[in-house]
Amino acid sequence: DAGVTQSPTHLIKTRGQHVTLRCSPISGHKSVSWYQQVLGQGPQFIFQYYEKEERGRGNFPDRFSARQFPNYSSELNVNALLLGDSALYLCASSLDYYEQYFGPGTRLTVT
Amino acid sequence: GNSVTQMEGPVTLSEEAFLTINCTYTATGYPSLFWYVQYPGEGLQLLLKATKADDKGSNKGFEATYRKETTSFHLEKGSVQVSDSAVYFCAFITQGGSEKLVFGKGTKLTVNP
Repeated sequence: DAGVTQSPTHLIKTRGQHVTLRCSPISGHKSVSWYQQVLGQGPQFIFQYYEKEERGRGNFPDRFSARQFPNYSSELNVNALLLGDSALYLCASSLDYYEQYFGPGTRLTVT
Repeated sequence: GNSVTQMEGPVTLSEEAFLTINCTYTATGYPSLFWYVQYPGEGLQLLLKATKADDKGSNKGFEATYRKETTSFHLEKGSVQVSDSAVYFCAFITQGGSEKLVFGKGTKLTVNP
């Protein structure tokens, strides 16, 4: 079975630009969560979606938004990029609420 | 607030040495506990889990026991291999509202031949 997939793998953006990251969950998983991992730190929770509804939001500014589609895939959008948004963005899917499986991540570099 | 404190790294061991990585947590409610591993350039892999007090999670020779009285979930392995070199994250999740994982800062392990 395919695991969680994310695209793109890497991307480089300039300050002020917008970025869209994509995630496809494991087949049958209805919940998707997004995390930001800054170099040398543990992942920080950004959003969780279940059945296309937002179930939770971490302590991130409104420049961060997300949505989940009918096929349970998800997008994370970040507007007005800042240098501090440079990080590995991880998507995780889960069947139940607690066992989350992570994708390989998208490495975002903001210059 | 909710937090995880992990033993600071980096940790460097010789092959076949015994490994312990300490982890304590502060959580509201009754959390489920996890260890995740991250190999260089990759995402996180679930290593093991425990969902109630005194449960022992185990996988690939790694073990951790859920100690409610000390709010701890220390990771152990009796004999490490070079292939165990990675960053290890302790995490928990609590039920109710969004089921978000709360992670520690990670402990980098290097095993030398």
